[in-house]
Amino acid sequence: NAGVTQTPKFRILKIGQSMTLQCTQDMNHNYMYWYRQDPGMGLKLIYYSVGAGITDKGEVPNGYNVSRSTTEDFPLRLELAAPSQTSVYFCASKHSGQGSYNEQFFGPGTRLTVL
Amino acid sequence: AQSVTQLDSQVPVFEEAPVELRCNYSSSVSVYLFWYVQYPNQGLQLLLKYLSGSTLVKGINGFEAEFNKSQTSFHLRKPSVHISDTAEYFCAVTPSGLTGGGNKLTFGTGTQLKVEL
Repeated sequence: NAGVTQTPKFRILKIGQSMTLQCTQDMNHNYMYWYRQDPGMGLKLIYYSVGAGITDKGEVPNGYNVSRSTTEDFPLRLELAAPSQTSVYFCASKHSGQGSYNEQFFGPGTRLTVL
Repeated sequence: AQSVTQLDSQVPVFEEAPVELRCNYSSSVSVYLFWYVQYPNQGLQLLLKYLSGSTLVKGINGFEAEFNKSQTSFHLRKPSVHISDTAEYFCAVTPSGLTGGGNKLTFGTGTQLKVEL
């Protein structure tokens, strides 16, 4: 199993450009998440999905969009990049069960700089 | 809603010394608790979790944590640290019931553990 994979690893964008951060998991997890990590702020949830075709906003969704057409993929879209979106982005996935299934698995992250 | 407080943003410690990283949480419902570790330029990796049962939880790499419901704390400890433990550590909580809300995690702001020779 590759687990959770993210592409690209690094990206520099100009203000106003758009891009899609890719996230794929091969664990057949129903739940998937996008976080951003800023220094001293911990991780903030951007969007999440509980299954294909179902997405919902997290704590900091403004400026982002997501889609979930398959169980495996959960891309994050930035339409008009702004310097405030400079951050490290992590994708995570989780089995939909409770109890011992309660662990989110994280990808290696995408480091995005908007200039 | 839940919140997590990690009061120590940085903890320097000498190799082979013991360490405690503090985590306090606030929640109106029962929660599951987690500690994640992030090594430089990597993603997060689960260290340990408390779901139910014994309040002392053992994790990977010799770490353990104790759940204290009355003090709403979940402090992380290691009796003897190694240089390789240098990393950032995050405490997180999620509601333990079936909330239908995707079992979202709420993270603390992290504690940078720096182990020195």
